[in-house]
Amino acid sequence: TQLLEQSPQFLSIQEGENLTVYCNSSSVFSSLQWYRQEPGEGPVLLVTVVTGGEVKKLKRLTFQFGDARKDSSLHITAAQPGDTGLYLCAGATTSGTYKYIFGTGTRLKVLA
Amino acid sequence: DAGVTQSPTHLIKTRGQQVTLRCSPKSGHDTVSWYQQALGQGPQFIFQYYEEEERQRGNFPDRFSGHQFPNYSSELNVNALLLGDSALYLCASGSTGGTDTQYFGPGTRLTVL
Repeated sequence: TQLLEQSPQFLSIQEGENLTVYCNSSSVFSSLQWYRQEPGEGPVLLVTVVTGGEVKKLKRLTFQFGDARKDSSLHITAAQPGDTGLYLCAGATTSGTYKYIFGTGTRLKVLA
Repeated sequence: DAGVTQSPTHLIKTRGQQVTLRCSPKSGHDTVSWYQQALGQGPQFIFQYYEEEERQRGNFPDRFSGHQFPNYSSELNVNALLLGDSALYLCASGSTGGTDTQYFGPGTRLTVL
């Protein structure tokens, strides 16, 4: 069974702090996506990474794909209350199939 | 350009009943995937449709079935509902030959009593 483990599961921090969320697996992925989900809504795509070692930046968010394409991290700099939500990573084991395995999620709360 | 749409938004059923959920993909997309997300968990892949056929399937029983229409929209059917089927059902669409990027709809919240 392919699993994507995210850590930490829960994170509560003060506005302005930095944080990193990790996504790990024993499987190799052809691509990996990060999503943010608000309660009662569908996940919203933040980024897709496809190349081992790839780093992508989206404003205060930095995403990294591991060299072996088995893990990824999301780093948020100077977190804001608007960053609050459920962060999900999802990996595709075969390119072009759209069959994604989702991680367990990291629930982030940023306090003002 | 409309994104992925799903209907209904919410649904309440009783055990043993059957339910049909609907999804319209993003314009230009031809692949539709369905996911089940239980409360507090990540989405789990149910199955995927392309060219009106089920192309991939996750670890879900035959009570879960689907259909894709010529206009690429899709339905998810669940028979003999169980309490454990209560969840947010998400539809995601993508484009074959695209960049592996899929976009999610807002979901249908199913409650089984």
